[in-house]
Amino acid sequence: DSGVTQTPKHLITATGQRVTLRCSPRSGDLSVYWYQQSLDQGLQFLIHYYNGEERAKGNILERFSAQQFPDLHSELNLSSLELGDSALYFCASSLNTGELFFGEGSRLTVL
Amino acid sequence: GNSVTQMEGPVTLSEEAFLTINCTYTATGYPSLFWYVQYPGEGLQLLLKATKADDKGSNKGFEATYRKETTSFHLEKGSVQVSDSAVYFCALRLHTGFQKLVFGTGTRLLVSP
Repeated sequence: DSGVTQTPKHLITATGQRVTLRCSPRSGDLSVYWYQQSLDQGLQFLIHYYNGEERAKGNILERFSAQQFPDLHSELNLSSLELGDSALYFCASSLNTGELFFGEGSRLTVL
Repeated sequence: GNSVTQMEGPVTLSEEAFLTINCTYTATGYPSLFWYVQYPGEGLQLLLKATKADDKGSNKGFEATYRKETTSFHLEKGSVQVSDSAVYFCALRLHTGFQKLVFGTGTRLLVSP
């Protein structure tokens, strides 16, 4: 158990819909990272938050957004969903320069 | 830019065989290097790491040595087990700026009895 909690574990929705994925980092970790894992793209970095502030953006679509709340949990919002958005979405947390600890992921299926 | 290249899988071995999974990197600066493992249906777990040249990371019988001269961080294990079947990701992380992990594409290892 990494200490990072992601919900929901599985989510099935239709094209055009909007979903929110939630991540609770390990206790004390200030950084939250979101990654997308798909069969054809591998692990892609989406976005990084540190103590509530966005620090870096990777290959994140404009239809996607995220935030980190004062209690340090984070949400990834995916809107106008397309078939190609079907993937595993991972959240990871870290303290500062330490290793990243990953949650078990949220598997999104868009039909 | 910064990138990681891993050998393509799947790698199929019999139990007790020797394992090597190649990983090379390109980075501006001197990164820390990592191997993560993803067992079926689970998230990624850190397997081992090395933070500077010539460091050797080791864990659960796996080893990897940070080779600056060849920009490599190959993963090895002397005798694999069926339970080692998983996807292995090589990754780098720079010491400056935000500490994003850059992953390779992953290598699937299948070990048969």
